[in-house]
Amino acid sequence: DVKVTQSSRYLVKRTGEKVFLECVQDMDHENMFWYRQDPGLGLRLIYFSYDVKMKEKGDIPEGYSVSREKKERFSLILESASTNQTSMYLCASSLREDQPQHFGDGTRLSIL
Amino acid sequence: QKEVEQNSGPLSVPEGAIASLNCTYSDRGSQSFFWYRQYSGKSPELIMSIYSNGDKEDGRFTAQLNKASQYVSLLIRDSQPSDSATYLCAVGDSNYQLIWGAGTKLIIKP
Repeated sequence: DVKVTQSSRYLVKRTGEKVFLECVQDMDHENMFWYRQDPGLGLRLIYFSYDVKMKEKGDIPEGYSVSREKKERFSLILESASTNQTSMYLCASSLREDQPQHFGDGTRLSIL
Repeated sequence: QKEVEQNSGPLSVPEGAIASLNCTYSDRGSQSFFWYRQYSGKSPELIMSIYSNGDKEDGRFTAQLNKASQYVSLLIRDSQPSDSATYLCAVGDSNYQLIWGAGTKLIIKP
């Protein structure tokens, strides 16, 4: 079974802090994704990566950056956290573009 | 803009009945279709993948795909209270980008 592990289940940070969310997958998947999910807005893609050191902007990249230095690890960075970034953050991976995405447990991030 | 549409619900179904969830998509070149289940406060989990026209069965779940009419559905037979969740439809478009529906909330009444 695919295992996608997110570093924290719950996280509380203050406005202006730099926040790192880590995601690791153990199935040698090529593709990794970061989403946020808010009530009434569904899943929104922030960034994705199809290869090591490669990144592509999703639908809502503003205020975020990512890093993929190793194939199994994809990090999401909030450069200067703001209260409107309070959300559930979901990491996913897939073997290929036409294959399903598998999700981690999510990180519920609160920015105070 | 490419879209995937689902009725938000809630869809209320008696225990033991068949639950029918529907999804339509706008990109005629879409090639891959997925159904996910999401319990409140949890992450989405994959139920079914379907790539070809017709039906695909897995236990109590059947996915149905009709590319000509651009819809995909999920049937849940013998519905159980544990099936109560939000069901997300996701469609891989012609560029292999995954487009997500907003989800249908399903409630199974004992």
